[in-house]
Amino acid sequence: GNSVTQMEGPVTLSEEAFLTINCTYTATGYPSLFWYVQYPGEGLQLLLKATKADDKGSNKGFEATYRKETTSFHLEKGSVQVSDSAVYFCALSDGGATNKLIFGTGTLLAVQP
Amino acid sequence: NAGVTQTPKFQVLKTGQSMTLQCAQDMNHEYMSWYRQDPGMGLRLIHYSVGAGITDQGEVPNGYNVSRSTTEDFPLRLLSAAPSQTSVYFCASSELDGGAGNTIYFGEGSWLTVV
Repeated sequence: GNSVTQMEGPVTLSEEAFLTINCTYTATGYPSLFWYVQYPGEGLQLLLKATKADDKGSNKGFEATYRKETTSFHLEKGSVQVSDSAVYFCALSDGGATNKLIFGTGTLLAVQP
Repeated sequence: NAGVTQTPKFQVLKTGQSMTLQCAQDMNHEYMSWYRQDPGMGLRLIHYSVGAGITDQGEVPNGYNVSRSTTEDFPLRLLSAAPSQTSVYFCASSELDGGAGNTIYFGEGSWLTVV
């Protein structure tokens, strides 16, 4: 079945450091890929998405490129801030009637000043 | 600017009690769903609905009931609470146009503890 694997955390970085959170997926067909962010005590917010191979999603300085050949959707940011501290979830959707999202286990990012 | 609204935000239940988590959305979305979030397991789908009067089971439906009498509302009922149902619950909604790229919008979560 479809699944998402993302790197375990926590990831601890200093402010202005480069961030990569790895995400790989297993899916039949052509899923859409998402990154959601969850700030402390809040719900999930869509950070970015890509709906087909080679698409790049971007938002708030974060980027991720849909790589079909490596089945990956790694999240990157060039210079993190303390306010980026949160849990990041990679997810996929294969559409269809269920519109179901399959999530990775989440990666906690802690950015220190 | 309400989006997806869940109540209550926090609840403590005793084993065996029943309760209903409320969810409402004001975006006229056809699709609504409930997820639970547990440490180290990401989010798992409990139940979902593709329109009023239509519901179906997700990955972890046991112990939960849902109904969808209106487009706006999708309550989740715990029939007889168990400690294993201690979790954070998220309601979500989206359009349903057959594509895989629909953005799913989440509520702020309901923290449930069963003692």
